[in-house]
This record gives sequence, C-alpha cells and structure tokens, in this order.
Amino acid sequence: NAGVMQNPRHLVRRRGQEARLRCSPMKGHSHVYWYRQLPEEGLKFMVYLQKENIIDESGMPKERFSAEFPKEGPSILRIQQVVRGDSAAYFCASSPQRPRGWIHYEQYFGPGTRLTVT
Amino acid sequence: GNSVTQMEGPVTLSEEAFLTINCTYTATGYPSLFWYVQYPGEGLQLLLKATKADDKGSNKGFEATYRKETTSFHLEKGSVQVSDSAVYFCALSERGQGAQKLVFGQGTRLTINP
Repeated sequence: NAGVMQNPRHLVRRRGQEARLRCSPMKGHSHVYWYRQLPEEGLKFMVYLQKENIIDESGMPKERFSAEFPKEGPSILRIQQVVRGDSAAYFCASSPQRPRGWIHYEQYFGPGTRLTVT
Repeated sequence: GNSVTQMEGPVTLSEEAFLTINCTYTATGYPSLFWYVQYPGEGLQLLLKATKADDKGSNKGFEATYRKETTSFHLEKGSVQVSDSAVYFCALSERGQGAQKLVFGQGTRLTINP
C-alpha cells in the first residue's frame, strides 16, 4: 500500500510565478491536510479538505493561496505570484476518516515539497 | 489558542546516553498528544501518542506520559543510538470540531555521536 505521495519533491520558482503542489493521499483516505514548515520551525496547519470540499482553511493566507481536492485526482495547493517568504517545505497528510468526538484518526504524512523562491 | 512548547535544541548526546526532550502544552480542551520524528529529507512519522491523562505512549524504546497536572508530555529513551538522530516534534490535536488540526512545537534536533 503506497503511502502519501507528493510531487514535485523540489520546486524552484522566480518571484511572481505560480507554484502548484500535488498530493495523492493513501489509498482509501479521503481526508487531506496541508501544513507548511518554515526553516527551523515546526509545522503550521494550513487547510483541511475532503473530496470536493474545504472543511477548514483557517491557516491559509487570505491572498494568493488556494487549495482543492477534486473528486478525481490529487489534492492541489496553489500559490500565485510567489514571494521569497513562501520558501518553505509543504507537507501533505491524509487520514481515513473525519475526526469526531473523542476519536482522533492518525494523519499519515508525505515526504513534502520543498519550494524555493528566487 | 492551543500551543506546544519544546525544549530548544540542538541536542547532542553520545550513544547509549539517556534522552529527555521536554514538551509542555496549552490547550482549552482535553487534547490528544503526539510525538513525531522527521529523518533527513523525509516527512514526519508518528512515533507515539497518548489520548488521556496518565496514558503512556511507547514505541522503539521511546516513552512519553500524558501529565495533565503539569500539562507535559516529555519524551524519554533510556539508551539512544546513532540511528535516533533526527528532528523530534511534539504535537497536540483538539477534540470535537477542531480535532483535525495538529498543533506542533518548533522541533528539537537530536544528534547522536558514536
């Protein structure tokens, strides 16, 4: 059973370009989370999606960032007009079910996409 | 809001030394607690977890106990190996509506010398 897959692993963009990061969850998982890790910092939650729905985007910057998880295909994190401050590692995680009540379903992490903005 | 504070690194130890990495948390509710490990160039892997007070999570010789009275979840290992060199993250997740978010500490880089 393949784990969470992310591509590309490394992405270099010039300031002002667009970055598209892809995440394929584990087989059977329909819940995806995106986190950002700035250099020498912990991961910060960005957005939580189910198929065709954004459940929680409270960690997403208001401008230039968007995420989707279509019925078919991977989840996409899109950053428009990138700036140097967007340089970071972006991690995707998936889980099989939505957390509810006292039950927490483990999130399985992908290897990350390291975005460098020049 | 909820937060996690870890002891600052980097931490450098000799092989077979005893390890403690401190973690304390602030939470409005009754969170679940986790330790994740990140090896160079890889994503995070769940190392251990605890879901209620006095629970002890353990895996690969690592242990951590959920202490509600001190809001702590310190990671320990009795005898570390070179292969334990990695970055360790303490994290919490809320229950109920916010349960999908993981809140991470800043990470502690551990280096074990032979």
